[in-house]
Amino acid sequence: ETGVTQTPRHLVMGMTNKKSLKCEQHLGHNAMYWYKQSAKKPLELMFVYNFKEQTENNSVPSRFSPECPNSSHLFLHLHTLQPEDSALYLCASSQEGPGIHEQYFGPGTRLTVT
Amino acid sequence: GQQVMQIPQYQHVQEGEDFTTYCNSSTTLSNIQWYKQRPGGHPVFLIQLVKSGEVKKQKRLTFQFGEAKKNSSLHITATQTTDVGTYFCAGPGDGAGGTSYGKLTFGQGTILTVHP
Repeated sequence: ETGVTQTPRHLVMGMTNKKSLKCEQHLGHNAMYWYKQSAKKPLELMFVYNFKEQTENNSVPSRFSPECPNSSHLFLHLHTLQPEDSALYLCASSQEGPGIHEQYFGPGTRLTVT
Repeated sequence: GQQVMQIPQYQHVQEGEDFTTYCNSSTTLSNIQWYKQRPGGHPVFLIQLVKSGEVKKQKRLTFQFGEAKKNSSLHITATQTTDVGTYFCAGPGDGAGGTSYGKLTFGQGTILTVHP
């Protein structure tokens, strides 16, 4: 499946580093999402962008900074992360409007903070 | 806020046995979705249920939406090793479907392992 792509697939960073995660969707959708998936925890919604406007920010620490330059691209900028931020970060997209609103997920970025 | 609970957290079955996972919401849902995540993979949409009491089938998978639209179940008949993975239910972030367009609240998932 190549509808939603994410880069990099794996990332190891120190607590003082700055890095960015990239997500691109090729499905013509108008909404994009960032999720965090940790071991033994449910999928945690971090940010929602609808028509490029951020409509949801679930009390995410400011060391995570999203950017959505257009409806196809979504970034997650990371700085001064903590070891507990190590997780799988998943991007998803959907077409909002009448009907079924299933979300299409990318393969994720496995982040390790050392 | 809205909570979506799933049980059991883990289920180990012998190949050929049946499997059921249950999903319960703290609020009435306008719809419920089910996703499957294979080990090392990402969640993949399976189905959406909308109507009270709705039952949908996909081959060996049967999905039900409760009459009160607060619970749902996924039943797999005669499991196969290809069924291994985590099954998530998800409801709209604001339950009955208001202005939180696109937001989903996921259950914690049921991890299914199948022994050949």
